[in-house]
Amino acid sequence: DAKTTQPPSMDCAEGRAANLPCNHSTISGNEYVYWYRQIHSQGPQYIIHGLKNNETNEMASLIITEDRKSSTLILPHATLRDTAVYYCIVRVTSYDKVIFGPGTSLSVIP
Amino acid sequence: GAVVSQHPSRVICKSGTSVKIECRSLDFQATTMFWYRQFPKQSLMLMATSNEGSKATYEQGVEKDKFLINHASLTLSTLTVASAHPEDSSFYICSAQGGGVSYNEQFFGPGTRLTVL
Repeated sequence: DAKTTQPPSMDCAEGRAANLPCNHSTISGNEYVYWYRQIHSQGPQYIIHGLKNNETNEMASLIITEDRKSSTLILPHATLRDTAVYYCIVRVTSYDKVIFGPGTSLSVIP
Repeated sequence: GAVVSQHPSRVICKSGTSVKIECRSLDFQATTMFWYRQFPKQSLMLMATSNEGSKATYEQGVEKDKFLINHASLTLSTLTVASAHPEDSSFYICSAQGGGVSYNEQFFGPGTRLTVL
């Protein structure tokens, strides 16, 4: 069962902010929102996660709406190296299995 | 972050042979390891979950006699593709998870590309 929906693809100009949306309208109160990315032919990489507050780390920011039914991953200054498939996942805890949906293929364009 | 390695990074074999893929957690003890398979232009599909010292739990539709998983130590899990056929050609990725505050996240290996001729 798909718990999240994401656009299949997006483009972003190099140096601009990339805003990747994710809908999770059936999210439960104890489920976290996680973001991973997968650069071509590599293993997935953890980016960020949050419960209900906005989060920021050295890679990205995560904005979660007040009703928690959607979120946005923000890469503040996209580079060509950010070209990847980005996966939005909801999980109860970090011990839950990571089940991947189709994700969003982000292309950063020079 | 914690490092997970896989070996080999790519393997080519003849149909009917068995192939073993290793997944190691290099700087932490992995109480749980996960195995995924990814076909071209598709997302990762979870195959099985293995806990150290116990039998693996396979996802629905994954043949446990075909994909043999061993998690004999806290730093090593192996996936053996028995009698591989061309349809088993895929990108196999493991992830590892350990206990403790710092390592309760899953860390992914770089993947192993299997080509069966």
